[in-house]
Amino acid sequence: NAGVTQTPKFQVLKTGQSMTLQCAQDMNHNSMYWYRQDPGMGLRLIYYSASEGTTDKGEVPNGYNVSRLNKREFSLRLESAAPSQTSVYFCASTDPGTRHEQYFGPGTRLTVT
Amino acid sequence: AQSVTQLDSQVPVFEEAPVELRCNYSSSVSVYLFWYVQYPNQGLQLLLKYLSGSTLVKGINGFEAEFNKSQTSFHLRKPSVHISDTAEYFCAVTMAGGTSYGKLTFGQGTILTVHP
Repeated sequence: NAGVTQTPKFQVLKTGQSMTLQCAQDMNHNSMYWYRQDPGMGLRLIYYSASEGTTDKGEVPNGYNVSRLNKREFSLRLESAAPSQTSVYFCASTDPGTRHEQYFGPGTRLTVT
Repeated sequence: AQSVTQLDSQVPVFEEAPVELRCNYSSSVSVYLFWYVQYPNQGLQLLLKYLSGSTLVKGINGFEAEFNKSQTSFHLRKPSVHISDTAEYFCAVTMAGGTSYGKLTFGQGTILTVHP
């Protein structure tokens, strides 16, 4: 079991560029999440997908879009990157009815210049 | 909505000393509580969780936490720390029963630094 995998690990973008962060889990979990981590602010939820075919906004969704491609994969897209989106992005998954705790990927460190 | 406050942003301690990392939460409904640890340049790993039952919860690496409903706290403790415990620790909460689709609300994090 690889658990939760994320690509890429590092990325540098110029302001206005777009990119997609990829996430996949092999634990057959129904729910998946995208968080961003900024110093002194903990992790904040960007978007989540309660189950395949559904997505919903979290606490800080502005400037992002998501796609739940299938049960395994949940991608995060930045259409026009801004310096304020410089952060570390984590994907996580769980089965809320059974596991309760979330399992996290290794993160993507994104810098927007 | 829930909120979590970690009362210390940094906690320095000497090796083999005891440590307590403090976490308070706010919620109008029943909650599940978690502590996660993040080692440098890694993802988050679950240390322990409180769902129901005994208020003293034991986790990995010798850590334990106590749920105190009246004080809305979930403090993390370890009687004797090691250099390898140096990391950032996050307290998190979600609504009980899975009705929030497992969404977590995190505290700001506490950086534990263990000195030799």
